[in-house]
Parts: sequence; C-alpha cells; structure tokens
Amino acid sequence: LAKTTQPISMDSYEGQEVNITCSHNNIATNDYITWYQQFPSQGPRFIIQGYKTKVTNEVASLFIPADRKSSTLSLPRVSLSDTAVYYCLVGAYGNKLVFGAGTILRVKS
Amino acid sequence: DARVTQTPRHKVTEMGQEVTMRCQPILGHNTVFWYRQTMMQGLELLAYFRNRAPLDDSGMPKDRFSAEMPDATLATLKIQPSEPRDSAVYFCASGQSGSQETQYFGPGTRLLVL
Repeated sequence: LAKTTQPISMDSYEGQEVNITCSHNNIATNDYITWYQQFPSQGPRFIIQGYKTKVTNEVASLFIPADRKSSTLSLPRVSLSDTAVYYCLVGAYGNKLVFGAGTILRVKS
Repeated sequence: DARVTQTPRHKVTEMGQEVTMRCQPILGHNTVFWYRQTMMQGLELLAYFRNRAPLDDSGMPKDRFSAEMPDATLATLKIQPSEPRDSAVYFCASGQSGSQETQYFGPGTRLLVL
C-alpha cells in the first residue's frame, strides 16, 4: 500500500483558495488518488478522484503532476462550512484503501 | 437519495456484553466496508466484503469481533465480549466495484463500553 503524507492542519479565511498537498512517493502504476472530506460526527464523503493531470468537479480540483508522487486538492473560495478533515488515499481498484491522519482544515471568518 | 443506513446510532453497554451493529448498504452496491474511528487511531479498516464474501478482515481482532453479510442488504459487525477499549465510532461504507471504487459512508454507530 502506498503511504501518504499530508499536513496535519491548515488555516484559511473565507473566500480564499485552499490547496492541500499530499505526498505519495511509492505510488504504483495502478493506483488512483482519492480525496475524502469528513465533518464532525459524520462519515467521510468522497470529494474527487484522479489518475493523472487535472480533474475538476463542482466541489474541487485535483492536480497530479506527471511523476504522480504528489497530488494537490484545491478548494476554491472556501467558506466556514468547508471546515473539516480532508483525507488523501492512494490505491488500486479492487484493493483496500487506508485512511491516514488527514489534514484538519479550519476556515475562519 | 440512496444512503447507507446503520443501526443503532448510539449504544451504551457494559463490559462483557455482546454488541451487534447493523448496516444496510446502498441497493446495488456489491462492496461493504467496516471501519472503526477513535481519536487515537483515526479511521481503521476492520473488514470488507465483495459480493457478500469476506475479502479482508485482517484489521479485526479475531477473538472477539466477527463480521458477516447474511444477505446483500444486510451487513453485521458483532463484538463478543465487548471491552472498554472497543469504545469508538463504527462506520459502514458501501460501494460498487469498478465504478471509481467510491465508498459511501453511513452515519456511524457510536459505541461506549463501560
């Protein structure tokens, strides 16, 4: 299983763009990169997934460089409701995913 | 809006008692995961099933924990006997293999063993 490293916490202000970077140096060829969001007292929720280059959906963008050894989750114009824990996971389809400690994002007004 | 449901949402029990947690995956999903979350350990994968067959339960203490899928609409996680260190939030998640492998999590069962 590819090990991931993320910052423990980040602070931001409303309206700013937030970028959370995840390192996964030993990512395998078949591995995808997936990000989940977890609010207090709730289960994690899927945000975005990608294999390479850039993926964008209505919530976030995911940037993956050519070597795929890292990825960056970008949240545009965050609001207070984006305060949550963000998890980066790496794994291949059909294999189990391992949640790390995640990044605690605190958005302030 | 299809969701994973879990029962009970909260459970307080005494050490030594049996605890059964239930999960109803999203209809049509063929993969079910059980996680445990604590402040100290974070989210730990206990076991997961595909097409009702256990694929991996290496994260589960075998002497007291058991997980089953009696049918496609029900997954159970049992602890017998329960211990105070089992106090945690237990999440069930379901997914459909081959479809981004996205996991949809339930609301969790908050277990307190006294």
